[in-house]
Amino acid sequence: AQSVTQLGSHVSVSEGALVLLRCNYSSSVPPYLFWYVQYPNQGLQLLLKYTTGATLVKGINGFEAEFKKSETSFHLTKPSAHMSDAAEYFCAVTVNQGGKLIFGQGTELSVKP
Amino acid sequence: DTGVSQNPRHKITKRGQNVTFRCDPISEHNRLYWYRQTLGQGPEFLTYFQNEAQLEKSRLLSDRFSAERPKGSFSTLEIQRTEQGDSAMYLCASSLSISNRGLAATYEQYFGPGTRLTVT
Repeated sequence: AQSVTQLGSHVSVSEGALVLLRCNYSSSVPPYLFWYVQYPNQGLQLLLKYTTGATLVKGINGFEAEFKKSETSFHLTKPSAHMSDAAEYFCAVTVNQGGKLIFGQGTELSVKP
Repeated sequence: DTGVSQNPRHKITKRGQNVTFRCDPISEHNRLYWYRQTLGQGPEFLTYFQNEAQLEKSRLLSDRFSAERPKGSFSTLEIQRTEQGDSAMYLCASSLSISNRGLAATYEQYFGPGTRLTVT
């Protein structure tokens, strides 16, 4: 069975600082990995995904993530936080493209001015 | 392309009542998914369809829950005899799993805004 662990339910950074949100996964077969963002009272928006190929993937709004098989990790980073980045972030895994997503518990990102 | 829509956005009901939610996927998408999200948690998979066929249903899903996608377009999720524990956000998503009319399959799931259910 697949699972996702997001380390830190709440992360706070200053505007302009590096954002690092951690995600570790468990999967017996090669995974497909995703990061979604959720603003209050809204649905989820896809930030980026890893399927195959290049392990460093770039997404929207300046975010990127690196798939590290040896560490079973898919951490999300952004060099410089913006106030508009404040939201809930979810890491998700699936082993079948188009199949169900297994989500982590989420990390709430706060950005201080 | 207007995105995934869900109705109603909010529903308040009394324990024991039945409720039905509707999801309209992105028109070209052949797969449709239902998830449930409780406060402070990530979305939890409920079920999904490919066209009108229900391909998978969570084993955690009570028999009080049923979903349909009769014509392979919109879907409904019904909860019978609601309980307070059913209070949650119900999210619908859709994806394109086969190339269709010049659109390449991407498998990315696009989410709707959700229906927030409160059972009193």
